[in-house]
Amino acid sequence: EVQLVESGGGLVQPGGSLRLSCAVSGITFNIYDMSWVRQAPGKGLEWVSSISGSGDGTYYADSVRGRFAISRDNSKKTLHLQMNSLRAEDTAVYYCAKVVADTFDDWGQGALVTVSS
Amino acid sequence: DIQMTQSPSSVSASIGDRVTITCRASQVVGSWLAWYQQKPGKAPELLIYGTSTLQSGVPSRFSASGSGTDFTLTISSLQPEDFATYYCQQGNSFPLTFGGGTKVEIK
Repeated sequence: EVQLVESGGGLVQPGGSLRLSCAVSGITFNIYDMSWVRQAPGKGLEWVSSISGSGDGTYYADSVRGRFAISRDNSKKTLHLQMNSLRAEDTAVYYCAKVVADTFDDWGQGALVTVSS
Repeated sequence: DIQMTQSPSSVSASIGDRVTITCRASQVVGSWLAWYQQKPGKAPELLIYGTSTLQSGVPSRFSASGSGTDFTLTISSLQPEDFATYYCQQGNSFPLTFGGGTKVEIK
């Protein structure tokens, strides 16, 4: 059974930083692309970033490029999202998701990030 | 960027009704179209990928079709557990984009 468990969410001030992690089990982690998708309170889904299985390829939404960095540790089966220069509009539940053919076929339970002073 | 437009944004329906949701892409997305179901407070779940292929475990009352820029999701006979919000998503090109969602509510 595939399991994705996010951690690292919380309250942070505007301009601050936060690092999300996603621990994955039940799959051969290094053969799958992975992504982060977020959902602002009461809003729809927004793709944030993706990373290839090897970690060589990374992709970002324009709204986070230059501020967020996706990475992975295949030896620990863990996905990360380093979030810097956070803004109020980054407030959302952040989901990690396993990717197959650019489709999100397994999701974590989500981690809430709140950016507020 | 490819914009995904869903309609309607909400629909009220009764148990047993047939419900159809449409999704239009601003550019051709080939067969790279997926549908997700999300219930309140829960993560989304994949229902359909590759335009029309049901994810394992998804009931056969769900079906989907389409090509090019126009796609539909149909629930043939609405069940109590189907009341949720549904999203389409294109995987043809980055940035990956979602429709705005369709909330299926109890009539």
